[in-house]
Amino acid sequence: ELKVEQNPLFLSMQEGKNYTIYCNYSTTSDRLYWYRQDPGKSLESLFVLLSNGAVKQEGRLMASLDTKARLSTLHITAAVHDLSATYFCAVNSNFGNEKLTFGTGTRLTIIP
Amino acid sequence: ETGVTQSPTHLIKTRGQQVTLRCSSQSGHNTVSWYQQALGQGPQFIFQYYREEENGRGNFPPRFSGLQFPNYSSELNVNALELDDSALYLCASSLAQGEVPLHFGNGTRLTVT
Repeated sequence: ELKVEQNPLFLSMQEGKNYTIYCNYSTTSDRLYWYRQDPGKSLESLFVLLSNGAVKQEGRLMASLDTKARLSTLHITAAVHDLSATYFCAVNSNFGNEKLTFGTGTRLTIIP
Repeated sequence: ETGVTQSPTHLIKTRGQQVTLRCSSQSGHNTVSWYQQALGQGPQFIFQYYREEENGRGNFPPRFSGLQFPNYSSELNVNALELDDSALYLCASSLAQGEVPLHFGNGTRLTVT
């Protein structure tokens, strides 16, 4: 059974600092997704990483994928308050299965 | 705005009752997936429908069932509600079978008392 783990679960950081969220998964997959969720809201798609070594950046967020290590990272640069949210990674196994398995999420709080 | 709309936004039911949640998919999307998100957890896959037939199911009992209609709208039905069914239910549509949904609706918050 595919398992997806994120750490840390909770992250409180000051504005202007850098930090990284880690996502580990247990079985082979060549597709990994990052979502953002604001309190009481739905999921917003951030990145889709499709191959080993893939790196994508949008504003202060950058995501990367290492399929050999079964690891993805979401790096936050010079954090601002607007980035406060819960971030989920999700993995789709490479069996042609449409099911997404989500991590437990990382609740990020940016402190002024 | 993802083009996926869900109704109602909030719902309160009593244990043992039945509930129907609705989703209107993005135009042209013939695949719809449903997820359950308990408080403080990540979403869990319930099932997916493609061209009005169930196409993949997660670890949920048969009292969770669904329908997809020709106009790409869909329903999630839950019978014999239990307290643990309290959660946010998310619908997501995809353009084609096998495509992982990237766009989710705003969800229905179900509370079972």
